[in-house]
Amino acid sequence: EVQLVESGGGLIQPGGSLRLSCAASGFTVSSNYMSWVRQAPGKGLEWVSVIYSGGSTYYADSVKGRFTISRDNSKNTLYLQMNSLRAEDTAVYYCARGGLEIDYWGQGTLVTVSS
Amino acid sequence: EIVLTQSPDFQSVTPKEKVTITCRASQSIGSSLHWYQQKPDQSPKLLIKYASQSISGVPSRFSGSGSGTDFTLTINSLEAEDAAAYYCHQSSSLPWTFGQGTKVEIK
Repeated sequence: EVQLVESGGGLIQPGGSLRLSCAASGFTVSSNYMSWVRQAPGKGLEWVSVIYSGGSTYYADSVKGRFTISRDNSKNTLYLQMNSLRAEDTAVYYCARGGLEIDYWGQGTLVTVSS
Repeated sequence: EIVLTQSPDFQSVTPKEKVTITCRASQSIGSSLHWYQQKPDQSPKLLIKYASQSISGVPSRFSGSGSGTDFTLTINSLEAEDAAAYYCHQSSSLPWTFGQGTKVEIK
């Protein structure tokens, strides 16, 4: 059974850093496109980043230069390093399998950026 | 960036009615358009991929059509459990983008 379990969210001050983790089971992270998608409170879905199976990475303009997607193949885990956080980064962050069609989603982890 | 515009933003529907949600892309995306359902306090769920391809386990009352710039998600004979937000998503070119969402309420 495919499972994605995010962790690492929480309350952080503006300008701070946070690293989200997504532990995957039931499939191999490195063999798939893996994405992060976020959802601000009461708002719609926003694509954040993708890492291809070959290792190429891409980002939304809103996070480029501040966020870094990566994976640890030995731990079958996806990460999102978030630096220079802003209030507008407040959202539930979903880890997801796929970058084309997204066929599995985690339960999400809430990141709140506030002083 | 490709902009996806859904209509309507909100729809209140009685059970067994037919629901049609449209998604228009700002430029041609071929068939690289996918639909998701998100129920309150849940993660999104893939309903339709590549405009019209069905997904295992998704009820057959959900169907998709379209290509190029205009796409449609149809729910035949709406059921109470279909109350949710519905989103389209394009993977034709980076950055991937989502429509703003359509909320379907059951009367």
